[in-house]
Amino acid sequence: AQSVTQPDIHITVSEGASLELRCNYSYGATPYLFWYVQSPGQGLQLLLKYFSGDTLVQGIKGFEAEFKRSQSSFNLRKPSVHWSDAAEYFCAVGARLGGGTSYGKLTFGQGTILTVHP
Amino acid sequence: KAGVTQTPRYLIKTRGQQVTLSCSPISGHRSVSWYQQTPGQGLQFLFEYFSETQRNKGNFPGRFSGRQFSNSRSEMNVSTLELGDSALYLCASSLGTSAFYEQYFGPGTRLTVT
Repeated sequence: AQSVTQPDIHITVSEGASLELRCNYSYGATPYLFWYVQSPGQGLQLLLKYFSGDTLVQGIKGFEAEFKRSQSSFNLRKPSVHWSDAAEYFCAVGARLGGGTSYGKLTFGQGTILTVHP
Repeated sequence: KAGVTQTPRYLIKTRGQQVTLSCSPISGHRSVSWYQQTPGQGLQFLFEYFSETQRNKGNFPGRFSGRQFSNSRSEMNVSTLELGDSALYLCASSLGTSAFYEQYFGPGTRLTVT
């Protein structure tokens, strides 16, 4: 079964500082990997995704993530955080292989709440 | 192109009642997935429908059911509501049934069971 761990429940950074949100996954092979963001009272918005190829993935709003197979990690980064980035961030994995009970669904981590200080 | 819409946005029900939530996917999308979000359990997969067929189901009791219509709109039903069913229910649509296809989420339906 696939699983996702986001070790940090809450992170606080100052506006303009760099950001790294951690994500570790467990899966029998290389899964599809995603980062979503959720603002209060809203649904989830996809920031970026990794399917194959270049392990450094660029997303929207200036975010990027790096897939490291050896560490089973897919950490999200941003060089300079803006106050509008305050939200909850979710890492998710999707099964790559066809069939079975995992196919088609996303398994999410518990989320990391980002607070941005002015 | 209009996004995923969910109705109603907010709902208050009493224990023992049943509830039906509705989801209209993005035009052209044939897959609809449902997720439950709670502070304690996080985001959990409920089920997925593709071309009116349930393709996958999460680990939820039989009180949770769903269906998909020929126009890809989907409904989920929860019978005999319990306090623990209070949650944000999110619907997501995508072109296909594999996780390869990006899932677009609606704003959710906030269900409160009293």
